[in-house]
Amino acid sequence: GENVEQHPSTLSVQEGDSAVIKCTYSDSASNYFPWYKQELGKRPQLIIDIRSNVGEKKDQRIAVTLNKTAKHFSLHITETQPEDSAVYFCAASYGNNRLAFGKGNQVVVIP
Amino acid sequence: DTGVSQDPRHKITKRGQNVTFRCDPISEHNRLYWYRQTLGQGPEFLTYFQNEAQLEKSRLLSDRFSAERPKGSFSTLEIQRTEQGDSAMYLCASSSDGNEQFFGPGTRLTVL
Repeated sequence: GENVEQHPSTLSVQEGDSAVIKCTYSDSASNYFPWYKQELGKRPQLIIDIRSNVGEKKDQRIAVTLNKTAKHFSLHITETQPEDSAVYFCAASYGNNRLAFGKGNQVVVIP
Repeated sequence: DTGVSQDPRHKITKRGQNVTFRCDPISEHNRLYWYRQTLGQGPEFLTYFQNEAQLEKSRLLSDRFSAERPKGSFSTLEIQRTEQGDSAMYLCASSSDGNEQFFGPGTRLTVL
């Protein structure tokens, strides 16, 4: 079955430092891995995604890496800013592109 | 606003009542998904439509839940005989034939 796990559950970083969130997934057939950012009371917002045919993708200060063999992928945020504070969800695709989500990571950027 | 919209944004109801939520996807998106999110958890998949066809339902979707997308555009999610355990944020997402799913703002349901 589908199982996506995220860790750590809470991450505090000093402004300007980097943050790394790791996720593992269970189904080797998963081929699409998005990351969503959710601020309090708002909708999940897609920030970056990666497909199984690449190992790394970068978009300005955020990057995602994928290790298919180990079935894990990570979100990297560099030069963190206070507006990066939010809950971040990883997800993995199953079946008809439905997504199984992790429980989320609370990232707190300390000014 | 050309994003996914949902209505209502908040719904408070008494246990045993029926409620219906609406989702309007991004206009050119043929795929529509419903998810449920509770506090401290990620969204959980409920059901999926491609155009007007409901292609998949989660086992989370009990017989009290029904969803429709009659013309392949907007969708409705109805919960009959609501229970306190139904209290959650109900999120709708849409996508084109690619994978990227874009979420609406959600409908927060409170069952008293």
